[in-house]
Amino acid sequence: AQSVTQLDSQVPVFEEAPVELRCNYSSSVSVYLFWYVQYPNQGLQLLLKYLSGSTLVKGINGFEAEFNKSQTSFHLRKPSVHISDTAEYFCAVGSFQKLVFGTGTRLLVSP
Amino acid sequence: SQTIHQWPATLVQPVGSPLSLECTVEGTSNPNLYWYRQAAGRGLQLLFYSVGIGQISSEVPQNLSASRPQDRQFILSSKKLLLSDSGFYLCAWRPDRVAEAFFGQGTRLTVV
Repeated sequence: AQSVTQLDSQVPVFEEAPVELRCNYSSSVSVYLFWYVQYPNQGLQLLLKYLSGSTLVKGINGFEAEFNKSQTSFHLRKPSVHISDTAEYFCAVGSFQKLVFGTGTRLLVSP
Repeated sequence: SQTIHQWPATLVQPVGSPLSLECTVEGTSNPNLYWYRQAAGRGLQLLFYSVGIGQISSEVPQNLSASRPQDRQFILSSKKLLLSDSGFYLCAWRPDRVAEAFFGQGTRLTVV
């Protein structure tokens, strides 16, 4: 079985500050990891994905994530956030058939 | 290019009425198809997935069912809606096991 845990339901941060959104997963098989973003009143957009190879993956809008197999984590980071990064962020773990999402983290960026 | 269509965008249905939400994918063959429900504080809950025609896997026991009558068509149904079925339903597809999912625009269902 696969599962994803996003411990932080909401992360408030000031503009230009760094941010880390945490994601931990569990799976009995090899997995592929994803981060999606959902802006207000919009659909889901892929930020980045880890399939294999380098454990540090870079995505759109200056985001990056690091795959840590020993800690079963795939945390999302951005060194300096903008107001426009305010959105909900979802971590997901995929296998051959299933794609399971976490409960999401709402990032609130204030001036 | 591939596209996914999901309709209707919004739906208001009385308790006890039937439901049918349709999702179709164009420009690909044999995709993996998914139905999710998004509710506040619960993220995207995987309801059903399908890896082929007639093959449906259910993740959460509930008042809903899914069917895949054609390769690129995925239908979410209910015989009698409950108030608790209200939510935002999203259809998605993946071209293969390593790929990310591509989402439809979703259906906002309100059961009254």
